[in-house]
Amino acid sequence: GAGVSQTPSNKVTEKGKYVELRCDPISGHTALYWYRQSLGQGPEFLIYFQGTGAADDSGLPNDRFFAVRPEGSVSTLKIQRTERGDSAVYLCASSPTLVAGELFFGEGSRLTVL
Amino acid sequence: AQTVTQSQPEMSVQEAETVTLSCTYDTSESDYYLFWYKQPPSRQMILVIRQEAYKQQNATENRFSVNFQKAAKSFSLKISDSQLGDAAMYFCAYRSPTTSGTYKYIFGTGTRLKVLA
Repeated sequence: GAGVSQTPSNKVTEKGKYVELRCDPISGHTALYWYRQSLGQGPEFLIYFQGTGAADDSGLPNDRFFAVRPEGSVSTLKIQRTERGDSAVYLCASSPTLVAGELFFGEGSRLTVL
Repeated sequence: AQTVTQSQPEMSVQEAETVTLSCTYDTSESDYYLFWYKQPPSRQMILVIRQEAYKQQNATENRFSVNFQKAAKSFSLKISDSQLGDAAMYFCAYRSPTTSGTYKYIFGTGTRLKVLA
């Protein structure tokens, strides 16, 4: 596609529910990043992939958060047993390669946990 | 651990004037990358300018330029001839060198820029 696509744009869920957020990167981009942005804050690193493998998942806050990229393209961020503190905008970005040095961002998925 | 600090939560500038946004960072590395990203209300982050630490020359992109002071670990963004479309959140970001074993980007807390007509 022309840019990084994230779905859903907005998601409202109840505490304790399971949520999946999808990211479709720019075609051919091998690196894919997930960030979380709380209101009034800068993006907080969660995880990045090189191809299918998670190269650095040190930013995942706990084991309720998990991300996959099974075919090296689309990625899904999965959040189990959601908590109100998970409410944020989840940003996805891709890059042609890890070395390229520029991230191309999607518009984010706003998650609200009631 | 590397950190990025933006000490100006909000700045205002008159249209056509010049404004400088500040950023400092902390790292023990000598070769790394620095970026300024713009985030308009649409939420999509857009790269404004980038700087490789090994380059002494300050990067410039049209009306946007940086003042990179490596010893002081300072990386400020200057916007000349400010336009209404420049109004947005601006984030400074740091990326580790390729030898560090990780390619994660660390962002500051942002500066909201208002442009006054």
